[in-house]
Amino acid sequence: NAGVMQNPRHLVRRRGQEARLRCSPMKGHSHVYWYRQLPEEGLKFMVYLQKENIIDESGMPKERFSAEFPKEGPSILRIQQVVRGDSAAYFCASSASTDTQYFGPGTRLTVL
Amino acid sequence: KNQVEQSPQSLIILEGKNCTLQCNYTVSPFSNLRWYKQDTGRGPVSLTIMTFSENTKSNGRYTATLDADTKQSSLHITASQLSDSASYICVVQRTGRRALTFGSGTRLQVQP
Repeated sequence: NAGVMQNPRHLVRRRGQEARLRCSPMKGHSHVYWYRQLPEEGLKFMVYLQKENIIDESGMPKERFSAEFPKEGPSILRIQQVVRGDSAAYFCASSASTDTQYFGPGTRLTVL
Repeated sequence: KNQVEQSPQSLIILEGKNCTLQCNYTVSPFSNLRWYKQDTGRGPVSLTIMTFSENTKSNGRYTATLDADTKQSSLHITASQLSDSASYICVVQRTGRRALTFGSGTRLQVQP
């Protein structure tokens, strides 16, 4: 049973470009969470989604950031018009009906 | 404010020695407390999870304690190994929310 998959593992973008981060949850998991880890800081919650629904987006920046978890395919975290401050590691986690969250390896975004 | 504070920030010990990491939290209402291990460049991996009624939980050489009255937890590592070198993160979940609140972690380095 494969774990949580994230791709790409490393992403480099220039300021103003768009970044798309993908997360495939563990098999059988319908809950997905996105967290951001800035350099030298702890992980910060961004958004929690179930299939086709955003349940809690209290940690999402109001502008430029969006997330989706379609019926088919991976969850996508989209960052439009990236700025240097978006450089961070973005972690996805998934869970089944229980609360245990399993984390993926992360995507490291670098904005030049 | 819902926070999780950890100490020390970093720690160096010799292989074979024991160590204890501390965590204080103000997250409320409290649901559970978890300890995660995060290797450099990897996603966090769950070590233990404790609810309000649990005082201690072990996972091999890792033993976590919880005092819900004082809102403190500790993670004790016995007979450390080089592979224990990682960040250890204290994570608290609020009742009724899936989102996790992370501490900044303790960076442990085990030297031969």
